Amino acid sequence: GAVVSQHPSWVICKSGTSVKIECRSLDFQATTMFWYRQFPKQSLMLMATSNEGSKATYEQGVEKDKFLINHASLTLSTLTVTSAHPEDSSFYICSARVAGEGLDNEQFFGPGTRLTVL
Amino acid sequence: GQQVMQIPQYQHVQEGEDFTTYCNSSTTLSNIQWYKQRPGGHPVFLIQLVKSGEVKKQKRLTFQFGEAKKNSSLHITATQTTDVGTYFCAGRISNDYKLSFGAGTTVTVRA
Repeated sequence: GAVVSQHPSWVICKSGTSVKIECRSLDFQATTMFWYRQFPKQSLMLMATSNEGSKATYEQGVEKDKFLINHASLTLSTLTVTSAHPEDSSFYICSARVAGEGLDNEQFFGPGTRLTVL
Repeated sequence: GQQVMQIPQYQHVQEGEDFTTYCNSSTTLSNIQWYKQRPGGHPVFLIQLVKSGEVKKQKRLTFQFGEAKKNSSLHITATQTTDVGTYFCAGRISNDYKLSFGAGTTVTVRA
């Protein structure tokens, strides 16, 4: 199946710093990537939908100026958590949708990035 | 808010027994997908159901999509320790490929 990578897998940073997370589709082109946030023992909450070459669409309640998303190519999307605070500590997961007729529209998830803000 | 409800939140099963997890949506779904997330891992796609009343099987797993396309279930028979993890249903409601995830059912197995 399609492989999605994320980097870094974990990061610890000081409050006030910015953190960039990369999401790459390794063996396919992803016109759409999704960014989710998952708190411990909770479900995945969609943060934003990222389309290559256009601005991301953010879900209600997600600050676009705090969570900057860039989808510069068909294989790379980045999420930057700006001025991170302890409440931003979470598991951030990206997924990529394989476009095309006859496909199941399943989303392939990256391994996730665990962010801890001190 | 969350549009797909999933129950139960936790399922503790004796090895060899069967169990079922249920999903319900207040709105009609265009399709529903099921994912499994092992402890410490990321969600892995299991299956997608599209048609009203559809039933699909994967070995010991049986997936159903309701006639009204508002509910779905996952039934696992003869539970094994490898079934441990959290099972999420995810419904596609709109035409923009976004998925609304249920809260998940976390399964533990006692030998």
